[in-house]
Amino acid sequence: NAGVTQTPKFRVLKTGQSMTLLCAQDMNHEYMYWYRQDPGMGLRLIHYSVGEGTTAKGEVPDGYNVSRLKKQNFLLGLESAAPSQTSVYFCAVLQGVLATDTQYFGPGTRLTVL
Amino acid sequence: GNSVTQMEGPVTLSEEAFLTINCTYTATGYPSLFWYVQYPGEGLQLLLKATKADDKGSNKGFEATYRKETTSFHLEKGSVQVSDSAVYFCALVYGGATNKLIFGTGTLLAVQP
Repeated sequence: NAGVTQTPKFRVLKTGQSMTLLCAQDMNHEYMYWYRQDPGMGLRLIHYSVGEGTTAKGEVPDGYNVSRLKKQNFLLGLESAAPSQTSVYFCAVLQGVLATDTQYFGPGTRLTVL
Repeated sequence: GNSVTQMEGPVTLSEEAFLTINCTYTATGYPSLFWYVQYPGEGLQLLLKATKADDKGSNKGFEATYRKETTSFHLEKGSVQVSDSAVYFCALVYGGATNKLIFGTGTLLAVQP
């Protein structure tokens, strides 16, 4: 899985609390992505990055912020958590730069917002 | 816009049965197509892919052919096993150089012994 790790694996927050999810890769790939997975909706793209110091919005960016200060790490932040953000969050790394290349996924973070 | 439509599950089969999971897509141009599998409690793993029309992707006994004329990428396996029980996602890449994926909603496969 291209050495993609996510921290933490599980988290429970109260409404209004903040937290940061960490995605780390042990290689030197440029492109990284954050998705959320909800029942019956597949995976939806939150934010992505095409290189160190760059970030861009995906399909469902509201309520989230991201940073890519180091090439190996892609952080997803929730400034004021809401119950609608209860989900499983997956990070992915593109192994290459071409449209024919494959995204490899981390194991996920299960977040519950009460 | 771009979209992926998968057959709804769950799909319940007996061991050694034939499997088909339908996937159709809407996209501009000819995107690369993927099937990912998610086993219980795990992340997504690439199962197979096809990068141009008429390509056939295959892995672990699963196959899918990129059909441009029907905009489809159906997943098939001749003889399923209990260990194939998982959620299967069809996806396409879009967004030019940003290589973003758009996923179908997933199809749960349950194989009974």
